[in-house]
Order: sequence, then structure tokens, then C-alpha cells
Amino acid sequence: GDSVTQMEGPVTLSEEAFLTINCTYTATGYPSLFWYVQYPGEGLQLLLKATKADDKGSNKGFEATYRKETTSFHLEKGSVQVSDSAVYFCALSRSGGGADGLTFGKGTHLIIQP
Amino acid sequence: NAGVTQTPKFQVLKTGQSMTLQCAQDMNHEYMSWYRQDPGMGLRLIHYSVGAGITDQGEVPNGYNVSRSTTEDFPLRLLSAAPSQTSVYFCASSRAPGEQYFGPGTRLTVT
Repeated sequence: GDSVTQMEGPVTLSEEAFLTINCTYTATGYPSLFWYVQYPGEGLQLLLKATKADDKGSNKGFEATYRKETTSFHLEKGSVQVSDSAVYFCALSRSGGGADGLTFGKGTHLIIQP
Repeated sequence: NAGVTQTPKFQVLKTGQSMTLQCAQDMNHEYMSWYRQDPGMGLRLIHYSVGAGITDQGEVPNGYNVSRSTTEDFPLRLLSAAPSQTSVYFCASSRAPGEQYFGPGTRLTVT
């Protein structure tokens, strides 16, 4: 079945550091890929998405590129801020109009220190 | 727009009790889903619906029932609560598969 693997946390960085959170997936067909962010005590918010190979999703300084050859969708940001501290989830949705929800990774807790 | 709303925010149940978690959305989305979030497990899909009158099982459906009589509402019923159902429950909706909007969650404790 489908699966998403992302690096375990917590990941602790200093403010203005470069961020990479790795995500790889296993899925049949051509899934859409997503990054969601969860701030403390809140629900998940869509951060960015990519729907086909070589697409780059971007939002709020975060970027991720859909790499079909390596089945990866790594999240990057050039200069993190304290306000980026949150849990980040990589997720996929099967293609072909499938509506059966999302398959999530286990989440990566990011802590940014001033 | 209120988006996706969930009630209650917190609930404590005794083993064997039943209850319904409410979920509503005002965005006219066709797709709705229920997930549970457990430490170290990420989110797992319980049930989902692609429209009024249509529901299907996700990854972890046992012990839960759903129905979808209207586009707006998608309640989740726990038939006989068990401690293993202690979790945070999220409802989500979307216009298209994959890009989902999440509610704030319900934290359920079963003793």
C-alpha cells in the first residue's frame, strides 16, 4: 500500500539556519504530494503542494520539488524563523480522481531557537 | 466562512459509552474525511465520504460509524468507546481529492 516516510524529529535549528526535512513516498500511479503544518493546539494547514513530476510547490518561503525518479518531496527553507516552530507532515493522495483521503508521514517536530 | 468546525473540543468517556463527534463545513465541499492522530503515528484515515449518501472505510474504521445525510455535516459515531480510541480526531473537507481543509480537532479520552 501507499506510505510516506519522513525524518524523525525533533529537529532543532537556530534562527536564520537552512532547513531541510526529508520525505520519500511509496505509491502506485502518480500521486499528488503535500506538506501540511500543525501549530501547537491547532489543526493542520496546507503549506504547499505539487501534483506532477518536477513541479515545485512554494509558500511562505518554503519550497518542495516533486522528484519522481527518487520518489521524494523534501521540504526546504533558506532562513527559518522562530515562528516556523511547528510539526510538519508530508502526505500523498493517489491520482486518478481518488478521493480516499490522504496518507500521512508521522510528522517532524521542528524547533527554532532564537 | 467558518470553514470546518468540530464539536466538542474535549471529551472524556468511560469505556463502553457511546458518543458522536460533530463535524460541519460551510464551503460546499463534496469530500469529507475523519482522521485520528496518535503520538508517533501521524494521522490515519478512519472514514471518508465523496458526497451526501456515500461513505467508505479508511485505514482504521473499526469501532466507528459515519453517515452523510447532507453536504455540510459528517458526524463520527463511537459505538462502544474503548481506551484504544483515546486520540485527537480531525475532520477535513475538500473540493477536490487531496487538498484538504482541517478542523481544529476533538481531544477524546476514554477511561
